[in-house]
Amino acid sequence: DGGITQSPKYLFRKEGQNVTLSCEQNLNHDAMYWYRQDPGQGLRLIYYSQIVNDFQKGDIAEGYSVSREKKESFPLTVTSAQKNPTAFYLCASSLRSPGQGGIAFFGQGTRLTVV
Amino acid sequence: DQQVKQNSPSLSVQEGRISILNCDYTNSMFDYFLWYKKYPAEGPTFLISISSIKDKNEDGRFTVFLNKSAKHLSLHIVPSQPGDSAVYFCAASAWGPDTDKLIFGTGTRLQVFP
Repeated sequence: DGGITQSPKYLFRKEGQNVTLSCEQNLNHDAMYWYRQDPGQGLRLIYYSQIVNDFQKGDIAEGYSVSREKKESFPLTVTSAQKNPTAFYLCASSLRSPGQGGIAFFGQGTRLTVV
Repeated sequence: DQQVKQNSPSLSVQEGRISILNCDYTNSMFDYFLWYKKYPAEGPTFLISISSIKDKNEDGRFTVFLNKSAKHLSLHIVPSQPGDSAVYFCAASAWGPDTDKLIFGTGTRLQVFP
């Protein structure tokens, strides 16, 4: 089945540790995105990538890093510099960019808890 | 600055009745709008979209209306079913090859009761 796979579904880390969230898609989509969801704040864009080996910062990129070495993979690293890392993280992909009428399809999310 | 606003955090509707979810936006460059439905601990799923060349788009029980002059869109669900109980997000984007962002609202939690 085609889709977007995020792993793990739940992740616990100690404060001060970096952690990498996995996102893989087999939809052959060019664009991939990382969003963060906090209660009452909707979805906020962290990073996005329109093509392999290229990515741009979203609205809340500080404390995060990404890579896009393969079309199907867009891992997100939450670094120790992120002040409030505990959140629900969502990965998405789209065939075209939203500005070209693209529809973003989401993975199931990763709940990160930093203790 | 919240460019996409969903001012009603929650809505409760009886099964079989109409659910109306509202969304306002401030950026006049927004030309493309989408609605997503989200269950707890899951990713959002796409429901319906509309571009600014239309003022209405319909898909089964779901209809989205766009009022560009008021910078307002709404999602109508008729008839509402218990399975529609979820959080609904509206999202917006500006047309053009260099606009890569979808801006989301804060969501409205819909509860459909028997």
